[in-house]
Amino acid sequence: KQEVTQIPAALSVPEGENLVLNCSFTDSAIYNLQWFRQDPGKGLTSLLLIQSSQREQTSGRLNASLDKSSGRSTLYIAASQPGDSATYLCAVSRFSGGYNKLIFGAGTRLAVHP
Amino acid sequence: DTGVSQDPRHKITKRGQNVTFRCDPISEHNRLYWYRQTLGQGPEFLTYFQNEAQLEKSRLLSDRFSAERPKGSFSTLEIQRTEQGDSAMYLCASSRPRSGNTIYFGEGSWLTVV
Repeated sequence: KQEVTQIPAALSVPEGENLVLNCSFTDSAIYNLQWFRQDPGKGLTSLLLIQSSQREQTSGRLNASLDKSSGRSTLYIAASQPGDSATYLCAVSRFSGGYNKLIFGAGTRLAVHP
Repeated sequence: DTGVSQDPRHKITKRGQNVTFRCDPISEHNRLYWYRQTLGQGPEFLTYFQNEAQLEKSRLLSDRFSAERPKGSFSTLEIQRTEQGDSAMYLCASSRPRSGNTIYFGEGSWLTVV
């Protein structure tokens, strides 16, 4: 059974710091991995999608890497800003029955203070 | 894309009552998913539709839960005889036909059972 773990569970940093969020998964047979952002009481916003054949994806100040063999992904946020404060969720996709089922970690709650 | 739309955003109901949530996916997305998220946890898969066909249901979806997508467009999720344990956010998501594509989530419907 696939399990996804995110470390740390919570993180508080001053503005401007570069930071790394970690995601690990137990079954390396994934189809892809997706990072999401969730603001309090809101839905999920997709940040980056990494296919299983890829090593990393970048979008602006965000960079996500994937090491499928070791079951790990990291989300790197450069020059953090207070607006980055949110919960970041990692989800791995398992191809089953012709579609991708997402299995989520519990998230990392990030607070960036001025 | 206008985004995935969910209604209502918030629902407070007494235990034992029935509730229904509606989801309008992004147009031309033939894949539709329902997830449930409780506080401090990542979303958990409930069910998946491809067009109007419900292809998979999680064991989390007890017989009090029913989901439909009658014309392959919008979907409804009904919970009968609600229990306090049903209190959660119900998230709808959709994606394009091809596997490996980004899954887009709605803002969610918060259910509180009192």
